[in-house]
Amino acid sequence: DAGITQSPRHKVTETGTPVTLRCHQTENHRYMYWYRQDPGHGLRLIHYSYGVKDTDKGEVSDGYSVSRSKTEDFLLTLESATSSQTSVYFCAISESLEGIFLYGYTFGSGTRLTVV
Amino acid sequence: SQKIEQNSEALNIQEGKTATLTCNYTNYSPAYLQWYRQDPGRGPVFLLLIRENEKEKRKERLKVTFDTTLKQSLFHITASQPADSATYLCALDSYSNYQLIWGAGTKLIIKP
Repeated sequence: DAGITQSPRHKVTETGTPVTLRCHQTENHRYMYWYRQDPGHGLRLIHYSYGVKDTDKGEVSDGYSVSRSKTEDFLLTLESATSSQTSVYFCAISESLEGIFLYGYTFGSGTRLTVV
Repeated sequence: SQKIEQNSEALNIQEGKTATLTCNYTNYSPAYLQWYRQDPGRGPVFLLLIRENEKEKRKERLKVTFDTTLKQSLFHITASQPADSATYLCALDSYSNYQLIWGAGTKLIIKP
């Protein structure tokens, strides 16, 4: 999607290995999010960021860590991948004006991760 | 806890008719609610945002209503087309200003 890219698009990894997914935006938005999407579930928030080096946990953060050293990049790391982390991962960005969200999120195209 | 529900069964509509999708929520009074479209293998795409003080919002063939008494939002697509076939997600703001709570989505199928 315009303004936000995720890499890689697909990845197969072995159980126990660390994996890093990258999200890059060119919109200069303050807020960035990592979600996972699994059949039968809505999007579930893993971690989010509200500024450079400002991050917080979402509802399914166990086994994941994030870093945001620059406005444009938000990295998601699976510290030791497990089969339960096989999923589609989406990054999203958003912006607010004086704390009010005027528009919705812009999502990346997703990363399909398979842990074998 | 906050809960948001969308019809999990696919909705089949004849081309040209109006498709209506429902989003119900409990245990919360959101300040706004959003609707997204998601195609297979793609990320969700933002469609409309409606605030608690707005009863209705329109964008081309799309219309969203927000009934805070019923705790329900309806999403309408008029003059539906096969290209409207997709999964539609609703989301509402949570107690945290940075997060959204998402429904699991309803799959809409428009038949020619």
